[in-house]
Amino acid sequence: DGGITQSPKYLFRKEGQNVTLSCEQNLNHDAMYWYRQDPGQGLRLIYYSQIVNDFQKGDIAEGYSVSREKKESFPLTVTSAQKNPTAFYLCASRLDRGTDTQYFGPGTRLTVL
Amino acid sequence: QKEVEQNSGPLSVPEGAIASLNCTYSDRGSQSFFWYRQYSGKSPELIMSIYSNGDKEDGRFTAQLNKASQYVSLLIRDSQPSDSATYLCAVDTGRRALTFGSGTRLQVQP
Repeated sequence: DGGITQSPKYLFRKEGQNVTLSCEQNLNHDAMYWYRQDPGQGLRLIYYSQIVNDFQKGDIAEGYSVSREKKESFPLTVTSAQKNPTAFYLCASRLDRGTDTQYFGPGTRLTVL
Repeated sequence: QKEVEQNSGPLSVPEGAIASLNCTYSDRGSQSFFWYRQYSGKSPELIMSIYSNGDKEDGRFTAQLNKASQYVSLLIRDSQPSDSATYLCAVDTGRRALTFGSGTRLQVQP
């Protein structure tokens, strides 16, 4: 997991509620990413950010929002517009200088009740 | 067609054997290729990265890349029960974010 932390590890939410997942890194990495993983499937990209105050939609951005106010932090908000939010959410970061290697945090498992 | 394709498995090999995991990708402009290992309930951890055609070895692991055939593979020699996991192939198609395959589940039988 390196210097990437995600909290909480488990999160339960009622339908219709927004919830924010935390991702912090102390690796001085430039780029940060959010992925979603459903059982038995690979990772799908939600949002990513190459620099502070800038971010791009990934493949499944609908129902999610992000901010990048600090280099170390990239929180993800799962809104009530997300139709099926129960999943394993993974944050990753990458040093954007000569390497494409992404390193992952430990993940947050979100369950909608 | 999926951008990154892997056989979901399970691939079952006996302990001590060579496990061969395969991945194909659709974007010819892809430059960076990665193999991650993911244990059940855990986050992916990087096993290998490869950028040029040919083989790259790291301990018991060898990554092979053939850009002409749009094919990347991972060989695990002397497979151990602790290698039992899902192996994810990931490709950077140029947008500076990775596209993942759905993963191959490997089972190493003691």
